[in-house]
Amino acid sequence: IAGITQAPTSQILAAGRRMTLRCTQDMRHNAMYWYRQDLGLGLRLIHYSNTAGTTGKGEVPDGYSVSRANTDDFPLTLASAVPSQTSVYFCASSGEVNTEAFFGQGTRLTVV
Amino acid sequence: AQSVTQPDIHITVSEGASLELRCNYSYGATPYLFWYVQSPGQGLQLLLKYFSGDTLVQGIKGFEAEFKRSQSSFNLRKPSVHWSDAAEYFCACVTGFQKLVFGTGTRLLVSP
Repeated sequence: IAGITQAPTSQILAAGRRMTLRCTQDMRHNAMYWYRQDLGLGLRLIHYSNTAGTTGKGEVPDGYSVSRANTDDFPLTLASAVPSQTSVYFCASSGEVNTEAFFGQGTRLTVV
Repeated sequence: AQSVTQPDIHITVSEGASLELRCNYSYGATPYLFWYVQSPGQGLQLLLKYFSGDTLVQGIKGFEAEFKRSQSSFNLRKPSVHWSDAAEYFCACVTGFQKLVFGTGTRLLVSP
């Protein structure tokens, strides 16, 4: 089934640990995005990528890094997790600029 | 920088009553505009989109939205709300760099 797969579904992580959230899409979309969703703040863009090999910073990039080695994968890495990074993380992808974005089911991350 | 504003954090509407959710964008050129809906614990689903042409766009589930350039607005409407419409609604905007930015969301509560 075509779509976006995020892993893990949820994770409890000790502060200071490194963590990579995985995101894979099989729709051959050029653009991919990472968002964090926090109560009252909506979805805030962390990083995005318009095409393989390029990435850009969103609204809240600090403490996160991404890579886009190929079209399908867009992992998000927390180099040293902090409690303020506790959130639900959504990965999304879209094809052309005026088409809808498809979302994964989210990763619930708790940093303790 | 582009931004999307949803001034209403939450709205309560009686079942069968009409609904209007407000969205304002800040961007120099005409953006691509979207409304998404998120049910509890779920990912986001596209309701409708605007990128050119007719300023009144129809979406799924009986929703429509009107683009008003003079007001920088893209308000979502529904003539008669059903209990199943209770959810969180997000307005979003894409620029030419295919950077997808969301508003903070409006939570819709439907009273019997």
